[in-house]
Amino acid sequence: SQTIHQWPATLVQPVGSPLSLECTVEGTSNPNLYWYRQAAGRGLQLLFYSVGIGQISSEVPQNLSASRPQDRQFILSSKKLLLSDSGFYLCAWSRTGGSTEAFFGQGTRLTVV
Amino acid sequence: GQQLNQSPQSMFIQEGEDVSMNCTSSSIFNTWLWYKQDPGEGPVLLIALYKAGELTSNGRLTAQFGITRKDSFLNISASIPSDVGIYFCAGFSPQGAQKLVFGQGTRLTINP
Repeated sequence: SQTIHQWPATLVQPVGSPLSLECTVEGTSNPNLYWYRQAAGRGLQLLFYSVGIGQISSEVPQNLSASRPQDRQFILSSKKLLLSDSGFYLCAWSRTGGSTEAFFGQGTRLTVV
Repeated sequence: GQQLNQSPQSMFIQEGEDVSMNCTSSSIFNTWLWYKQDPGEGPVLLIALYKAGELTSNGRLTAQFGITRKDSFLNISASIPSDVGIYFCAGFSPQGAQKLVFGQGTRLTINP
């Protein structure tokens, strides 16, 4: 069966510090991978998605970047965090080709102070 | 980009009541997904819909893929306290088949 792991679960970082959030998927090959951000009490904003290694589509210009160094690994990064980067970050995967079910990790609560 | 409009934004109901929420789009969608999110957790998939007109049930939950492919609804029958949470619709658009976009969510509160 397929599983998705996200870590860390919570993170408190000072303004201006770098960020690296990692997401890995097990039990499938060549998944589509997604990063979302959710502000408190709000919907899910799509940040990045990837259909293959090294292929990243950016949805919202911002202080973040994403990379996919391996087939089942998706990393969200920032060189310098802003207060507005605080939020709940969620990783998801779906089978290659899209238009199928998508499954989420448990999320990372990021607080920038 | 594609926008999904989900309504209502919030619902306050009595335990045992039925619930209905819907999602609409200005463009057609190939797939509609419905999720439930509990506080501090990732969304959990409830129902997936793949064909226009499709009606699918999962226990007390029923969802339908609209004939026009621009809308979907989710019904919950005989609500119970554990139904509390935020429900999201989501879809893959033909224009960006790999891109999964979400509605704004419906927050369900149940009075015992």
